[in-house]
Amino acid sequence: AIRITQSPSSLSASTGDRVTITCRASQGISSYLAWYQQKPGKAPKLLIYAASTLQSGVPSRFSGSGSGTDFTLTISCLQSEDFATYYCQQYYSYPGITFGQGTRLEIK
Amino acid sequence: EVQLVESGGGLVQPGGSLRLSCAASGFTFSSYEMNWVRQAPGKGLEWVSYISSSGSTIYYADSVKGRFTISRDNAKNSLYLQMNSLRAEDTAVYYCARGMPIQLWTYDYWGQGTLVTVSS
Repeated sequence: AIRITQSPSSLSASTGDRVTITCRASQGISSYLAWYQQKPGKAPKLLIYAASTLQSGVPSRFSGSGSGTDFTLTISCLQSEDFATYYCQQYYSYPGITFGQGTRLEIK
Repeated sequence: EVQLVESGGGLVQPGGSLRLSCAASGFTFSSYEMNWVRQAPGKGLEWVSYISSSGSTIYYADSVKGRFTISRDNAKNSLYLQMNSLRAEDTAVYYCARGMPIQLWTYDYWGQGTLVTVSS
């Protein structure tokens, strides 16, 4: 099974900051990586797929990059509504798709 | 508006059974692959099961294989998860999630989730 290591597990930042979250796959997954945002008590929301394609309706301050084994989610100019938990997901090896452990983004 | 509404969760004893349902609306249900994804309390996301649009192709996570059965009724716009031989480690919020047409194993719409608690 492909393992995904997401870092950091938690992150404190202020409104207006630029933050980066990283996912590393245990083997190459091309660009088969997605990012989700989850707020407490809510379902996850798809932000980015194919490593860098922004889902419809997602603000442009979210961006994704990477291919192979190393991927990043960047949020430029944090807004109050961005404080949430973020998960990456690899879907290169289906049906054994796997999620990262999550990154909790908190207000500093 | 796309809506996915899960139901059927609750408290069940170890070894017991439960059937989850997911009612879909706002899109052509029969054209989309569907999945169940779960999240244990305070934990991350775990994919559970997949079913193709016609129901002809089904996959399960190893952790539930042989115990859970996914199915769908396209005439009723509904997705199901029959869960047997439940264990404490199956305790989680269960989400139904729609597969994106262009990236099948990503999920563009999710239900609100239904909580399954396995405990004596």
